[in-house]
Amino acid sequence: SSELTQDPAVSVALGQTVRITCQGDSLISSYASWYQQKPGQAPVLVIYDKNHRPSGIPDRFSGSKSGNTASLTITGAQAEDEADYYCNSRDNTGDRYVFGTGTRVTVL
Amino acid sequence: EVQLLESGGDLVQPGGSLRLSCAGSEFTFPSYAMSWVRQAPGKGLEWVAGVSGSGRNTYYADSVMRRFTISRDNSNNTVYLLLTSLRAEDTAIYYCARDKLGSWGWYFDLWGRGTLVAVSS
Repeated sequence: SSELTQDPAVSVALGQTVRITCQGDSLISSYASWYQQKPGQAPVLVIYDKNHRPSGIPDRFSGSKSGNTASLTITGAQAEDEADYYCNSRDNTGDRYVFGTGTRVTVL
Repeated sequence: EVQLLESGGDLVQPGGSLRLSCAGSEFTFPSYAMSWVRQAPGKGLEWVAGVSGSGRNTYYADSVMRRFTISRDNSNNTVYLLLTSLRAEDTAIYYCARDKLGSWGWYFDLWGRGTLVAVSS
């Protein structure tokens, strides 16, 4: 089955930029969506359709892709961005979904 | 308000069964495929099952194939997940999510708050 691999944890200084990557074969032919999850809360969509943000998501969040790797970039990280982030895409069958392993972002 | 509300989570013994429900409100429910996503304690997100808008097509993760059944009742704007032959590793918060097809792929644009399933003797 398809897998999406993310770094377990990254840290970023307040106001600096951090990039979270997501690697997997299913990303060669599809784009990832990205979800933010804070402790005790449901996930929230932050990026979809290459690099679109839902209403209410700050423009410091952006998405990109190169080959089999998708990236979520937070430019000018804020304290409230501290959370777990998950990528997601359809798997190689096209019928099922796969989530990335998740990245915990700490804002210092 | 557009929302999803899950219910039905409980403590159940290994080998037991449970039915989860997810009610959608303030959107055209039959127009959307729906999914269940779970999160074991301290772990990541895992997609579990999906159903098309009509209910005719269903899809499952390998980990729950032949044990879980997803279905929907569009007259009541509700999607269900029947969990059978439950195991300790099925212990998780189960989220209901709305699937949306964008210009460049599928994503989950609306999530419920989740319902807790605990499998223990």
